[in-house]
Amino acid sequence: EVQLVESGGGLVQPGRSLKLSCVASGFTFNNYWMTWIRQAPGKGLEWVASITNTGGSTYYPDSVKGRFTISRDNAKSTLYLQMNSLRSEDTATYYCTRDRNSGYFDYWGQGVMVTVSS
Amino acid sequence: DIVLTQSPALAVSLEQRATISCKTSQNVDNYGISYMHWYQQKPGQQPKLLIYEGSNLASGIPARFSGSGSGTDFTLTIDPVEADDIATYYCQQSKDYPYTFGAGTKLELK
Repeated sequence: EVQLVESGGGLVQPGRSLKLSCVASGFTFNNYWMTWIRQAPGKGLEWVASITNTGGSTYYPDSVKGRFTISRDNAKSTLYLQMNSLRSEDTATYYCTRDRNSGYFDYWGQGVMVTVSS
Repeated sequence: DIVLTQSPALAVSLEQRATISCKTSQNVDNYGISYMHWYQQKPGQQPKLLIYEGSNLASGIPARFSGSGSGTDFTLTIDPVEADDIATYYCQQSKDYPYTFGAGTKLELK
């Protein structure tokens, strides 16, 4: 059974940093791209970052480029999202997803809440 | 960026057909593949993949769900609607970065 379990969320002040983790199980982690997607409270879904199966390439929207870094440790089957210079608009539930070849997300974690507030 | 437009809400009766549309600002087809995907999200839960590449049913999804369309006009059909289908439905394109989602269509009971 595929499982994605996120951790590392919480309350953080604007301008500070936070690192999210996602432990994967039930599939061969190093065969798949992975992606973070977020959802602000009461809002829709927003793509945040993607990484290739080897970690050799990463992709971001302009809204987080230069502030967020996606990475992975294939030996630990773990995906990360380092978030720096956090803003109030980064407040959201962050989902770890498995990314298929043509860019759809077939498995989602339960999500982890990040609140950016003073 | 490719913009995806969905109607905010759709009211439907149980056992009737629901048709949810998604229109894109640019063509999301390439080499015969539609880079359009559909998700269902119930309150307090993570989204679930329903349809990928325009019309392919995801694993474990009932055949009551189907996807159609090409180019810039896509449709998710639920026929017949069951009580468990009351949720918000999102379309998503992966033709170009940044990947983008529609704002979601909330399926409601008449």
